[in-house]
Amino acid sequence: AQSVTQPDIHITVSEGASLELRCNYSYGATPYLFWYVQSPGQGLQLLLKYFSGDTLVQGIKGFEAEFKRSQSSFNLRKPSVHWSDAAEYFCAVGANTNAGKSTFGDGTTLTVKP
Amino acid sequence: DAMVIQNPRYQVTQFGKPVTLSCSQTLNHNVMYWYQQKSSQAPKLLFHYYDKDFNNEADTPDNFQSRRPNTSFCFLDIRSPGLGDAAMYLCATSRDRRPEGEQYFGPGTRLTVT
Repeated sequence: AQSVTQPDIHITVSEGASLELRCNYSYGATPYLFWYVQSPGQGLQLLLKYFSGDTLVQGIKGFEAEFKRSQSSFNLRKPSVHWSDAAEYFCAVGANTNAGKSTFGDGTTLTVKP
Repeated sequence: DAMVIQNPRYQVTQFGKPVTLSCSQTLNHNVMYWYQQKSSQAPKLLFHYYDKDFNNEADTPDNFQSRRPNTSFCFLDIRSPGLGDAAMYLCATSRDRRPEGEQYFGPGTRLTVT
């Protein structure tokens, strides 16, 4: 079965600073990887996804993520954080063997300092 | 805009009193999911419908039931809510069950049990 680890429970960055959120997955074959964002009191919104091709994927709101098979990682990055990026971020992995269901990590809460 | 709608956004019920949460979608997606999310935790999949085919997760308590009368609507019934069932309940849809497919989430219903 697949699994996802987000090592950082909480990250604080200053507005305008760069951001990297870590995600490590465990799966025997090529994974299907997603990053979702959840603003307070809201549902999840897809930022970006990877399942084949270029290992650097671009998403909405200026986010990007890089798939590194050798490190089993799919870290999310943004060069300059805005106050509106404060939210919870979930990494998820899907697999062929799981009827399309995704497994979510426990999330990373991002706080943005003025 | 095509979307996933959840009603009500906030629901208060009494311990042991049955409650129903509703979800509707205008995306015409085949799959509908129900997740339970407790504070600062990953969404936990309770069950999903692939068209009319109901799929229960192995660890979903019997207290939780679901109905999907048509493509657009799906309901979550909690027969006898306990204090531990207080959580955010998220409905999501996807076009099909391919692992690369993204899920579209509603805003959630926050359930309080008194």
